[in-house]
Amino acid sequence: EVQLVQSGAEVKKPGESLKISCKGSGYSFTSFWIGWVRQMPGKGLEWVGIIYPGDSDTRYSPSFQGQVTISADKSIATAYLQWSTLKASDTAMYYCARATSPFAWFDPWGQGTLVTVSS
Amino acid sequence: EIVLTQSPGTLSLSPGERATLSCRASQSVSSSHLAWYQQKPGQAPRLLIYGASNRATGIPDRFSGSGSGTDFTLTISRLEPEDFAVYYCQQYGSSPFTFGPGTKVDIK
Repeated sequence: EVQLVQSGAEVKKPGESLKISCKGSGYSFTSFWIGWVRQMPGKGLEWVGIIYPGDSDTRYSPSFQGQVTISADKSIATAYLQWSTLKASDTAMYYCARATSPFAWFDPWGQGTLVTVSS
Repeated sequence: EIVLTQSPGTLSLSPGERATLSCRASQSVSSSHLAWYQQKPGQAPRLLIYGASNRATGIPDRFSGSGSGTDFTLTISRLEPEDFAVYYCQQYGSSPFTFGPGTKVDIK
């Protein structure tokens, strides 16, 4: 069974850094892309960016370029989303999901990681 | 950027009824690169339809997708109790890839 398992909920203060993870199993991790999607409280879905763990090719939405960093460690089949300086507006649920290419749908999805940034 | 508009915002129906959800794009979506997802409260989204009309693995055949260009439709032929949820469309043909704001299907 293809599964993406994300790291647990985080509570951080503005200005802190954070790295959340997404571990893939049940498939060849280096043969598919892993994307990240943001969902702010009570709101819709926003495409953040995507990475190909095979060669670390990474694409970002212009809205998120420079705000987050996506990376992957293929040796442990894990993708990451990180912030160097968190803001209150980064408070959201973040989902990872698998895709066959950047120009593709997401399936399946991880269970989500809730990030709360508050002083 | 392609902006997706979904209508209606909320659809109030009874189990057994037919649901018709619309997704309209501000520009043509290339190669019908459009997907539909279902999201229930407290859960991650789940893929229903890709390529505008292809059902994902394990999705019941009461779900169907149609359309091309700028107008797309998700139809649920007969609503089951587990179908009451929020539905999002997504275009993945032109970067930045975008989602619609969602249509909530609730129980009348």
